[in-house]
Amino acid sequence: SQQGEEDPQALSIQEGENATMNCSYKTSINNLQWYRQNSGRGLVHLILIRSNEREKHSGRLRVTLDTSKKSSSLLITASRAADTASYFCATGDTGANSKLTFGKGITLSVRP
Amino acid sequence: DTGVSQDPRHKITKRGQNVTFRCDPISEHNRLYWYRQTLGQGPEFLTYFQNEAQLEKSRLLSDRFSAERPKGSFSTLEIQRTEQGDSAMYLCASSLFGASRSGYTFGSGTRLTVV
Repeated sequence: SQQGEEDPQALSIQEGENATMNCSYKTSINNLQWYRQNSGRGLVHLILIRSNEREKHSGRLRVTLDTSKKSSSLLITASRAADTASYFCATGDTGANSKLTFGKGITLSVRP
Repeated sequence: DTGVSQDPRHKITKRGQNVTFRCDPISEHNRLYWYRQTLGQGPEFLTYFQNEAQLEKSRLLSDRFSAERPKGSFSTLEIQRTEQGDSAMYLCASSLFGASRSGYTFGSGTRLTVV
């Protein structure tokens, strides 16, 4: 079963613009992670935010987490054509032996 | 260490045949995960190991699927009597800790096509 639901399903922007992607989830989590996947390839870990954190930055990435609304957003600033990929949010539950549960993903297209 | 390796990259098999995939995780990682991904969907959890122990297996996984991780190093995923519905990308990932503490490192996947 899939825990996270990303929104929108697809996003097309011009190079240089910011891209905002949202994720909602249903149950309590220990942390939330974002991954990127280029076509036909494996997933690449981007950033992890813990349930007691509200905002985190990594380079051009900014992720926020609102546990009261059970939602997260990923902002990519100054997008580049190379950012074109699918983006997935994944939740780690509170169990000691937890695994990640992924959403269906968002397809981001950055036009040169 | 060059990351997580999966072999083969692509596999085409006839329905009813058995297939086996291999995953070599990052050497210092004690956790290894198998996921399946179909077109337009996110990865779906299949099973995971801590060292050589298989700690969890998805209830969605039929008895035709089996995974091993002998000696806590590489892992194999075998699908017996393949069906067309098994066609998917099979992803392996590894981590040093559980998902509560760290992200996963994924391999490039094995794309299975059952004809």
